[in-house]
Amino acid sequence: ETGVTQTPRHLVMGMTNKKSLKCEQHLGHNAMYWYKQSAKKPLELMFVYNFKEQTENNSVPSRFSPECPNSSHLFLHLHTLQPEDSALYLCASSPTYGGDTQYFGPGTRLTVL
Amino acid sequence: RKEVEQDPGPFNVPEGATVAFNCTYSNSASQSFFWYRQDCRKEPKLLMSVYSSGNEDGRFTAQLNRASQYISLLIRDSKLSDSATYLCVVTKNTGFQKLVFGTGTRLLVSP
Repeated sequence: ETGVTQTPRHLVMGMTNKKSLKCEQHLGHNAMYWYKQSAKKPLELMFVYNFKEQTENNSVPSRFSPECPNSSHLFLHLHTLQPEDSALYLCASSPTYGGDTQYFGPGTRLTVL
Repeated sequence: RKEVEQDPGPFNVPEGATVAFNCTYSNSASQSFFWYRQDCRKEPKLLMSVYSSGNEDGRFTAQLNRASQYISLLIRDSKLSDSATYLCVVTKNTGFQKLVFGTGTRLLVSP
């Protein structure tokens, strides 16, 4: 299935590196989301975009910086991360804003050394 | 108290068994309810929505008890391919209907 794609699938970075995660949805949806999934913890919503405008920032540290150039693309820029930021980062999209079925991408498994 | 609570399992069952998962949620104002399935090292995928009247999709039956703030998922005639983590999801109105996920219940179906 290629409805929501994410790159890279795996990323290892040092605490001083800068990297970006990319998400693209081919479903014509209007809303896009970033989630973090850590071991033994539930999915945590990080950011929400509706028609490429950011509508939610769930108290995410500024070392995570989202960008949504259009309603099909979403980026998560990473800089000076901490080892505890290691997790699976999932992108999702939904036809409309909130409450609808969300379609997830395969995720980027991030390891911060 | 967690917003959505699930028994993490794992539930180990033989093929053909019937297994039930439960979930409780804390926000009485939640409006929508779902079960998602997540395979190992894969993304979550919607399994089914949960309605007040209860709903069935093949071998899967979901029930909602609003008074007790309790959701259940019943799987009949378990298949090996049902092995996965089942995530209970409810909505929370924070200005939009945010999805709140449980930590999931792991199911292992063995031959």
